[in-house]
Amino acid sequence: AQKVTQAQTEISVVEKEDVTLDCVYETRDTTYYLFWYKQPPSGELVFLIRRNSFDEQNEISGRYSWNFQKSTSSFNFTITASQVVDSAVYFCALSVIGTYKYIFGTGTRLKVLA
Amino acid sequence: EAQVTQNPRYLITVTGKKLTVTCSQNMNHEYMSWYRQDPGLGLRQIYYSMNVEVTDKGDVPEGYKVSRKEKRNFPLILESPSPNQTSLYFCASSSTIAGVKNEQYFGPGTRLTVT
Repeated sequence: AQKVTQAQTEISVVEKEDVTLDCVYETRDTTYYLFWYKQPPSGELVFLIRRNSFDEQNEISGRYSWNFQKSTSSFNFTITASQVVDSAVYFCALSVIGTYKYIFGTGTRLKVLA
Repeated sequence: EAQVTQNPRYLITVTGKKLTVTCSQNMNHEYMSWYRQDPGLGLRQIYYSMNVEVTDKGDVPEGYKVSRKEKRNFPLILESPSPNQTSLYFCASSSTIAGVKNEQYFGPGTRLTVT
């Protein structure tokens, strides 16, 4: 069975601080996709990134960066110089290739204080 | 505009009264799915559909039914709602050409309260 753990339930930071959201996944399968989604206070779910298990290259997009490490089964998300607009719940998700199920973590609520 | 729509957005109903939440997408996506979001539990998959007339259970299918008669629509049916189905429901769709899993597009959510 697959599992996604986001151990940080809630994180509060002051604006301009860097923050890392942890995501640890479990699967016996060697081919899978990992995702991050953002849910701002308005409630919609917004796609941030997709990574497949063949590609361990880290990714940077503006202030956002992702660190994928198969050795530790982690796919962590870092926001550099956080802003109030980054306040949201962030979800990590796993989907094994060849299946159609998606397993989401319980989410991390990030509060960025001005 | 590419989008997933859900109706209704808010619904208060009573135990046992059958209801349907509609979901429609205009992106010609093969894959559609329903999730429920509960505090502390994140998003949990209820049912999904790989294409027309092909559906399967997710992790929490009990008490729900779905159908996929047309590619664009994927309604969620609660035949006899109970209070433990009070939740925020999201429909999603994505393209899965050649097995590649692209990002899911989510609807705006339906907040259901069963009294």
